[in-house]
Amino acid sequence: DAKTTQPNSMESNEEEPVHLPCNHSTISGTDYIHWYRQLPSQGPEYVIHGLTSNVNNRMASLAIAEDRKSSTLILHRATLRDAAVYYCILRDVGNQFYFGTGTSLTVIP
Amino acid sequence: DTEVTQTPKHLVMGMTNKKSLKCEQHMGHRAMYWYKQKAKKPPELMFVYSYEKLSINESVPSRFSPECPNSSLLNLHLHALQPEDSALYLCASSQLGSLYEQYFGPGTRLTVT
Repeated sequence: DAKTTQPNSMESNEEEPVHLPCNHSTISGTDYIHWYRQLPSQGPEYVIHGLTSNVNNRMASLAIAEDRKSSTLILHRATLRDAAVYYCILRDVGNQFYFGTGTSLTVIP
Repeated sequence: DTEVTQTPKHLVMGMTNKKSLKCEQHMGHRAMYWYKQKAKKPPELMFVYSYEKLSINESVPSRFSPECPNSSLLNLHLHALQPEDSALYLCASSQLGSLYEQYFGPGTRLTVT
């Protein structure tokens, strides 16, 4: 199973953009890059995923490096409700799903 | 309906008890998962079921026994647990394939006394 590396914690001011990085240098050609977040006392929640091209949805944007060895989750305007642990996960064809250590995001009012 | 439900929300059990955790989804997903999460740690994959058959067992002790009676239900039977098994147990489901996202339940908070 391929691994991901994320900073342990990050801070952002409210209503500012946030860029959460993830390194996955051992990614294989068929691995999808998934991002989830977990708010306190809740189960993880899907945010976004992609394979090669950048992706946008109502929650966030995902920027994927050309060599696919890194990606960045972008929250365009952080709110207090975005304070959570964000996990970058590589999902392979075998239905395995392994969480890395994640980034704890603090949003400062 | 994009909800995964888990019961009970909280469970306290002694080391000699037998209990079960239940998980249900009605999204037609054919993959279901159990995770264990200790405080301030990421979820750890325990079991994966594909088409109601156990496909992945991450070397979990036999005191945890999963069961998938049909495509909508997933159980985790617990017997002779240890205090260190106290954790949040998360259930998830997804369609099969790496491009599909997982949907997680809220978890069962288990305390073993």
